[in-house]
Amino acid sequence: GDSVTQTEGLVTLTKGLPVMLNCTYQTTYSPFLFWYVQHLNEAPKLLLKSSTDNKRTEHQGFYATLHKSSSSFHLQKSSVQLSDSALYFCALRTASSGSWQLIFGSGTQLTVMP
Amino acid sequence: NSKVIQTPRYLVKGQGQKAKMRCIPEKGHPVVFWYQQNKNNEFKFLINFQNQEVLQQIDMTEKRFSAECPSNSPCSLEIQSSEAGDSALYLCASSNRDEQYFGPGTRLTVL
Repeated sequence: GDSVTQTEGLVTLTKGLPVMLNCTYQTTYSPFLFWYVQHLNEAPKLLLKSSTDNKRTEHQGFYATLHKSSSSFHLQKSSVQLSDSALYFCALRTASSGSWQLIFGSGTQLTVMP
Repeated sequence: NSKVIQTPRYLVKGQGQKAKMRCIPEKGHPVVFWYQQNKNNEFKFLINFQNQEVLQQIDMTEKRFSAECPSNSPCSLEIQSSEAGDSALYLCASSNRDEQYFGPGTRLTVL
């Protein structure tokens, strides 16, 4: 069945450094990937959505590129800020059931230190 | 920013009690999803609607929950008999068929 894998559970970085959060997926359908960010006690907010194969999408300094060849949609930022500390989820919109539900990865907690 | 409204934000129930939560989706979004996020931050799809009709629901929802999304009224999700394992954050998301936008959730605690 469809699935999403996020390999890092916890990432801790110093402000100003670059970050990459990994996301790989498995689906037999055409993939639609999303990144959501969830701050403590808040709703998950849509950060990015995938475009066509090998095309980069950007929003609020974050960017990701869908690579169908490697089934990946890694999230990157060139310089993290303290306010980026949050839980990040990669999600795959699955068409397998015809209901277009999201399948989420296990999440990566990003902590940015001063 | 999401305009999905969920009430109440917090709900405390005893085991066996009913627990009802509501969601007002973004205007113009025809599809509504309910997800459960547990204490380990794992998401579970529960049910979704398109224009008041159920598209899909999981077995647990079919057996223990009742849900509806009437026109011109908030959508609702109700657990008929709460169990300790139902303690979680219940998230409503509305969709324009492309992206899904989440509300702040209802945090249910079952004592």
